[in-house]
Amino acid sequence: GAGVSQSPRYKVAKRGQDVALRCDPISGHVSLFWYQQALGQGPEFLTYFQNEAQLDKSGLPSDRFFAERPEGSVSTLKIQRTQQEDSAVYLCASSLEDRRAFFGQGTRLTVV
Amino acid sequence: AQSVAQPEDQVNVAEGNPLTVKCTYSVSGNPYLFWYVQYPNRGLQFLLKYITGDNLVKGSYGFEAEFNKSQTSFHLKKPSALVSDSALYFCAVIGRTLTFGKGTMLLVSP
Repeated sequence: GAGVSQSPRYKVAKRGQDVALRCDPISGHVSLFWYQQALGQGPEFLTYFQNEAQLDKSGLPSDRFFAERPEGSVSTLKIQRTQQEDSAVYLCASSLEDRRAFFGQGTRLTVV
Repeated sequence: AQSVAQPEDQVNVAEGNPLTVKCTYSVSGNPYLFWYVQYPNRGLQFLLKYITGDNLVKGSYGFEAEFNKSQTSFHLKKPSALVSDSALYFCAVIGRTLTFGKGTMLLVSP
């Protein structure tokens, strides 16, 4: 596709439910990033992939958060046993060597 | 650790006037600096970047940014603001990963 695609755009989850957020990066982009953006805040880094390798997961807030990119293209961010503090917009970005990141529109997760 | 500071939560400017959105950074090594804009319910859009070269970088929509190494700043500027420029602006720096500031809301009044 022409840009980074994220699905779903909106997700409402009951507390304790597991969720999976999908990111389709721009074709050929090696690097893929996940960010969490709380209301009124800047994006906070979660994790980074280069192809299928997860090179940095230092931003994942707890072991309930898990990300994968098994074939070096589509990535999934999974959150287990969701909590209210997980409510945020989750942004995915991909980039080439020039380091210019292209962002998707995000998934707005609301945990009730 | 790398960091970015945007000292202003909000900047107000009248249409047609020049605007400046401030950003300072901290990173080891040479900085790679970016500005992104976010409109409501939309993803982040790239405005411009500084990697090396001229300290004045020109980007999209008439925006430019001035890199100042001694002051570790990368302020975003535009000579004449438009109402349609009203949005949330983020400065970012690449060290190991892309780190964002908290954002500055720009409000341009008619």
